[in-house]
Amino acid sequence: AQSVAQPEDQVNVAEGNPLTVKCTYSVSGNPYLFWYVQYPNRGLQFLLKYITGDNLVKGSYGFEAEFNKSQTSFHLKKPSALVSDSALYFCAVRDSNAGNNRKLIWGLGTSLAVNP
Amino acid sequence: GAVVSQHPSWVICKSGTSVKIECRSLDFQATTMFWYRQFPKQSLMLMATSNEGSKATYEQGVEKDKFLINHASLTLSTLTVTSAHPEDSSFYICSAPDRQRDKETQYFGPGTRLLVL
Repeated sequence: AQSVAQPEDQVNVAEGNPLTVKCTYSVSGNPYLFWYVQYPNRGLQFLLKYITGDNLVKGSYGFEAEFNKSQTSFHLKKPSALVSDSALYFCAVRDSNAGNNRKLIWGLGTSLAVNP
Repeated sequence: GAVVSQHPSWVICKSGTSVKIECRSLDFQATTMFWYRQFPKQSLMLMATSNEGSKATYEQGVEKDKFLINHASLTLSTLTVTSAHPEDSSFYICSAPDRQRDKETQYFGPGTRLLVL
């Protein structure tokens, strides 16, 4: 069965420090992986995705994520956190074998708090 | 990126009434749109996949007669919550991929908060 796990409900980091938000997945075929961010009372904004190619993907607002096939992970990272990065982060996966069904499987979200 | 709008952004209604939420793709055509609901501090729950010109595909456990979806054009999908009750109060979000620009990325509307009294 396809699934996404975000093991941490909340991540706290000091401003200026590096941040990591963890995500692991399970799919039968090759994964298409996504990170989205949600600010309070807002829809989701796309940050980055991995489809194929380089395992290190760079996205919006200085975020990046590394696809690790052996560990089935796609952790989100940023070298230096900003207070404005405080938000809810969602990891999602789609099985490339699903064809035209573009339904995403979502993690439960990780609340990131960056402290000044 | 592609822009998706929703209307209204929030709505309060009395129990038993119906509420229609619109999802529009503003600068691209969307043959497929997805409808989600989100409870406070929880993940997204996919309700249904809206297909232009055909019936929506509902997820298991979602009542199709309760949540009516119409996707009559390539830029508009509507979700109607019929005979709304307090337990239908939630944050409803739609999304759509822009298949001409990037078929894999879903672009999200800003959401509609529904409160049923």
